This record gives sequence, C-alpha cells and structure tokens, in this order.
Amino acid sequence: RKEVEQDPGPFNVPEGATVAFNCTYSNSASQSFFWYRQDCRKEPKLLMSVYSSGNEDGRFTAQLNRASQYISLLIRDSKLSDSATYLCVVTNNNAGNMLTFGGGTRLMVKP
Amino acid sequence: EPEVTQTPSHQVTQMGQEVILRCVPISNHLYFYWYRQILGQKVEFLVSFYNNEISEKSEIFDDQFSVERPDGSNFTLKIRSTKLEDSAMYFCASTLSYNSPLHFGNGTRLTVT
Repeated sequence: RKEVEQDPGPFNVPEGATVAFNCTYSNSASQSFFWYRQDCRKEPKLLMSVYSSGNEDGRFTAQLNRASQYISLLIRDSKLSDSATYLCVVTNNNAGNMLTFGGGTRLMVKP
Repeated sequence: EPEVTQTPSHQVTQMGQEVILRCVPISNHLYFYWYRQILGQKVEFLVSFYNNEISEKSEIFDDQFSVERPDGSNFTLKIRSTKLEDSAMYFCASTLSYNSPLHFGNGTRLTVT
C-alpha cells in the first residue's frame, strides 16, 4: 500500500463547480497534514494545513479523519486559476519532519 | 515575502560528472531539506538538515550525495558522479520550526546526458 494515496485524476470541471479530492495515508504515526498546490514544472506551494477539527480558507475546506486515515479537500466555486495538481502531504514529526507526498490529483477547470 | 532561492534554474551535465546545486534558505529558518521530483512522478524526500548535521535521509540519498551549509546563508546538494537516473527537478526547502509547513524554492532542473 502506498504511504499517501490519491486519485491522479484529471478532474475536469466547469468554472463555478464544487470539487472534492480525497487522500488516504498508511502511517498511523503521521502527525501533521497539508495540502500543497503544484503548477506544471513549478515548486509545491502550501495551500493549507489540515486540522482535526476541519478548517476553511475562503473557498477551500480541508477535513481530517484520523480514525480512517483520510484527508479531504473541497474547492467551492472553482476558478480557472485553480487548475493545478493538488498534493496531499503528511509528516511524521518523529522522523525529522519528513514530508511524504502523495502523487497528486490534477484539476482542470474549464470555462 | 521572503523566498527560498535556488541556482541554477537548469543544469545540464554529462554522466559521471559532479554537480553542486545551490540554495539560499529563508534567512531565519533553521531546518533545511532537499527533495526531488522525476518528471511525471511524485515529490520524494532526500535529506533533512539541522544544526549543521543531517537529521534524516532517504534510501535515495546514498554515498553519491552530500549536503553542506558552508556559510550562514547557503545550503548545497552535491552529487559526486551523476547518473542518467539523477535527472529530475531538485527542490530545496526550509522552515523555521520543526513542525511548520515547508517553504520550497523554485527548483533546479538537472538533466544528465
């Protein structure tokens, strides 16, 4: 089983749509969780941290279910500029804060 | 906003040659990392560095790889004898505290021919 698993997509959605991505992780010792965004041939950029209570940042909502080892990202009112690859990232803070990346889910928002 | 900067943006080298990839982390950050991403694949951890020593390294980070913080600002990754399979995008990252999100540089694309 992959350490961090994501549906690679692509998810093709129209502007204004709501889209959700899911991610599962295998290491129950994982302690910190993030969503990063990566544009083609660019560096990963932090989108948001994910907290147990769930958190929202504008059109983006992240949820964490530790029991099921599952993380989600919801994007409301999709914009063309949201087109990117979304990377689910977990860390085990007892292992040098090493980030483990999922393979990413590609989102394409169309006019 | 402070940035992590990496040079060069693109490095082409012949198999067997040594390369040094350079990074300037954000100035007050204390933890430094190298990651790589082979084209079309996921981002992979190479090494973490704190207090002038390696804290963790992956299986990828074998004897051909080394890191150094030669002065107060630079953080370098050296590959002693490059192989074709070392061709990838190499990302440097830094963070201020142990469990904070990482800030990535814009990467160095290494092409080994």
